[in-house]
Amino acid sequence: DIQMTQSPSSLSASVGDRVTITCRTSQSISTYLNWYQQKPGTAPKLLIYAASSLQSGVPSRFSGSGSGTDFTLTISSLQPEDFATYSCQQSYNMPYTFGQGTKLEIK
Amino acid sequence: QVQLVQSGAEVEKPGASVKVSCKASGNTFSDYYIHWLRQTPGQGLEWMGRINPNSGETKYAPNFQGRVTLTRDTPISTAYMELSSLRSDDTAVYYCARDPGVLAFDPWGQGTLVTVSS
Repeated sequence: DIQMTQSPSSLSASVGDRVTITCRTSQSISTYLNWYQQKPGTAPKLLIYAASSLQSGVPSRFSGSGSGTDFTLTISSLQPEDFATYSCQQSYNMPYTFGQGTKLEIK
Repeated sequence: QVQLVQSGAEVEKPGASVKVSCKASGNTFSDYYIHWLRQTPGQGLEWMGRINPNSGETKYAPNFQGRVTLTRDTPISTAYMELSSLRSDDTAVYYCARDPGVLAFDPWGQGTLVTVSS
């Protein structure tokens, strides 16, 4: 299985900050990397697919980049509704696997 | 906009089986894969398998092979996940999700809490 390592595991930031979350994979996955946002008690929501494509309806302050084994999710200017847990997921091969999540908290 | 609505919470004893349903709205049920995943505090998000609603072809994660069965009833736009030989560490929120053709999961069902306890 492809191992996914996210960093940091938690992060404190303020409204208006620029935030970057990193995901590293145990083998090259080209750009088969997706990012999800999850708020307590709700299902994950797709933000970015194929490493850098913004899902329809997702604000443009979210962006993704990377290829191979190193990927980043960037939020350009944090809004109050962005405080949540973010997870990466590879769709290069099955079984599909997820990172352990990054919890973004208000400073 | 497709929505996935799952069946309600279940409580099962160790060794039993559980079957969770996932009903899709709209007319495109057969067009895209339906995936099943689960989330636990300890293991995070785990992918369990997928089904092609059109053909019924399935693919399972090795960790669940032999214990999970995915089926569908196309006329009623519903997919099912059955997990057998339940253990306490199968206690989790189980989700269905659709792949809209981009090798990702969107949308997701609301989740079904399955509790395994004697």
